[in-house]
Amino acid sequence: QQPVQSPQAVILREGEDAVINCSSSKALYSVHWYRQKHGEAPVFLMILLKGGEQKGHDKISASFNEKKQQSSLYLTASQLSYSGTYFCGTAAIWTTDSWGKLQFGAGTQVVVTP
Amino acid sequence: KAGVTQTPRYLIKTRGQQVTLSCSPISGHRSVSWYQQTPGQGLQFLFEYFSETQRNKGNFPGRFSGRQFSNSRSEMNVSTLERGDSALYLCASSLEGLPTDTQYFGPGTRLTVL
Repeated sequence: QQPVQSPQAVILREGEDAVINCSSSKALYSVHWYRQKHGEAPVFLMILLKGGEQKGHDKISASFNEKKQQSSLYLTASQLSYSGTYFCGTAAIWTTDSWGKLQFGAGTQVVVTP
Repeated sequence: KAGVTQTPRYLIKTRGQQVTLSCSPISGHRSVSWYQQTPGQGLQFLFEYFSETQRNKGNFPGRFSGRQFSNSRSEMNVSTLERGDSALYLCASSLEGLPTDTQYFGPGTRLTVL
């Protein structure tokens, strides 16, 4: 089952912050965040493993709440280069259905304006 | 390290034809996953190969098939093309296809079925 991402879209001015959420009804083993610009491949941002860790990548960070099966991506002091569609990909707790498979949310379109 | 490469980048076919897409993973990566991306359905998992074996398969008809070679390169084949098969086909490579492994995407093959 696909994770649910929110919001669907967000418009920011440079320097503003935003939060993107990703929720799953399944118990998760890991959450993977990607950014895709129009006409390009998804680019890996970070991976979070069960255990509730928080990670950062420049001014983009993320957390994983294992109790809620929810991950949040934080865009801090946004830059024009942050524009794109952000996807979360989830891997469920290990089953035979797990090999090489990520379930992706519908994506959150982020537009950063000058 | 060279990234994931996919060929061809663009394809135009007519209904009823078949098509073969190719993916070369990052050196050292043994798992290759294939995804279909469409505006309506988002990123959907097709299948995953590891050591020349299909270990996992998504919910796609049998017209979609694939294989992997001993050098980890992978191909996917779609037979009897339908208009609904028009999509961006992405492959992603990872070390072993575990839920803790990062998947790195190639640039994709844009397939248009007329």
